[in-house]
Amino acid sequence: DAEITQSPRHKITETGRQVTLACHQTWNHNNMFWYRQDLGHGLRLIHYSYGVHDTNKGEVSDGYSVSRSNTEDLPLTLESAASSQTSVYFCASTQTFGNTIYFGEGSWLTVV
Amino acid sequence: GNSVTQMEGPVTLSEEAFLTINCTYTATGYPSLFWYVQYPGEGLQLLLKATKADDKGSNKGFEATYRKETTSFHLEKGSVQVSDSAVYFCALSDTGRRALTFGSGTRLQVQP
Repeated sequence: DAEITQSPRHKITETGRQVTLACHQTWNHNNMFWYRQDLGHGLRLIHYSYGVHDTNKGEVSDGYSVSRSNTEDLPLTLESAASSQTSVYFCASTQTFGNTIYFGEGSWLTVV
Repeated sequence: GNSVTQMEGPVTLSEEAFLTINCTYTATGYPSLFWYVQYPGEGLQLLLKATKADDKGSNKGFEATYRKETTSFHLEKGSVQVSDSAVYFCALSDTGRRALTFGSGTRLQVQP
């Protein structure tokens, strides 16, 4: 079955370190997204991509970057991790507007 | 910009009670509307969706009707079960961006 997977599922890192969260989908969807989930804020969009070599900033993009070198993967990089980036991160994908957006199981990141 | 407003939680109900979770939205154009559910420790799953005005989405006994005149998409279920305990997110997707804009989520606790 097609799926969307995230790794690592849990990570603890130190302030100032670079961290990369991986996201891989096997549906061949063009559109991919990264969200963070924090209590009281719901899910907020970090970055998104409409296709290979396309990336766009979401509402909370500061301190994060993404790259899209192929259809299947959209890795999220925290350039210099900060305690404010402790959160649960969700990757998602969809093929077209109005269709279901599928989510990965989440990556729990703690910055100490 | 787009926004989604949900009723504050938690909502605590007894088993077999009637559930309503209010959701209103602000968006340009004609967005698609979604309800996602998140069970403890898991990612988000699509519960139901509606893509145009007056559409009713339904799944697992849950229903929501796309009301353009009141910009609302309230979630209802006639008889909740303990297994419905979860966090429910209302969301919209517009033609321009395709990413989902989420409400802050409503936690539902169903007691036996």
